[in-house]
Amino acid sequence: EDQVTQSPEALRLQEGESSSLNCSYTVSGLRGLFWYRQDPGKGPEFLFTLYSAGEEKEKERLKATLTKKESFLHITAPKPEDSATYLCAVRQNYGGSQGNLIFGKGTKLSVKP
Amino acid sequence: NAGVTQTPKFQVLKTGQSMTLQCAQDMNHNSMYWYRQDPGMGLRLIYYSASEGTTDKGEVPNGYNVSRLNKREFSLRLESAAPSQTSVYFCASSVRQMHFGPGTRLTVT
Repeated sequence: EDQVTQSPEALRLQEGESSSLNCSYTVSGLRGLFWYRQDPGKGPEFLFTLYSAGEEKEKERLKATLTKKESFLHITAPKPEDSATYLCAVRQNYGGSQGNLIFGKGTKLSVKP
Repeated sequence: NAGVTQTPKFQVLKTGQSMTLQCAQDMNHNSMYWYRQDPGMGLRLIYYSASEGTTDKGEVPNGYNVSRLNKREFSLRLESAAPSQTSVYFCASSVRQMHFGPGTRLTVT
């Protein structure tokens, strides 16, 4: 069964304190791992797609990495505006065009000044 | 370019009432989706439409129906609302990346 597990559920950081969020997954044939950011009261906003082990992508203070079993979202020197819930998803090999996404429950990040 | 739009933004229903959630996208995407998001449960797929004229059940389809009206529009209908359907509903569309709408917050009393 395809499954996505994110940890921790919540993470509180001080401004400037770097850390990582974890996403472990099981899927029959990875066709893409996705990271989204969700602010309260809004829809998820796309951040990154990773397709193969060893791949890395960066955007401002965020860097996503991928292994065969998990992905990490590294946050370097976070700022309060990075506070949000971060969602991880994997693409299944059926449904939709190119496949449906199955989501983890998210990590709620709070960055205090 | 508005992306994915949803109406209404908020709705309160009484048990047994019906309503339709509307969704439209202007990105010319073939695939569209309806998800629900509940505290501690994450996003769960209700129905999806791989292309105009086709719809399929997702993980939690019971109590819902959908209509892919044309390539742009994908609606979700609750025929007889139940308190268990209190949730935030997101519509999405995709080619390679999935784009989400702003959500509809539904309360069933």
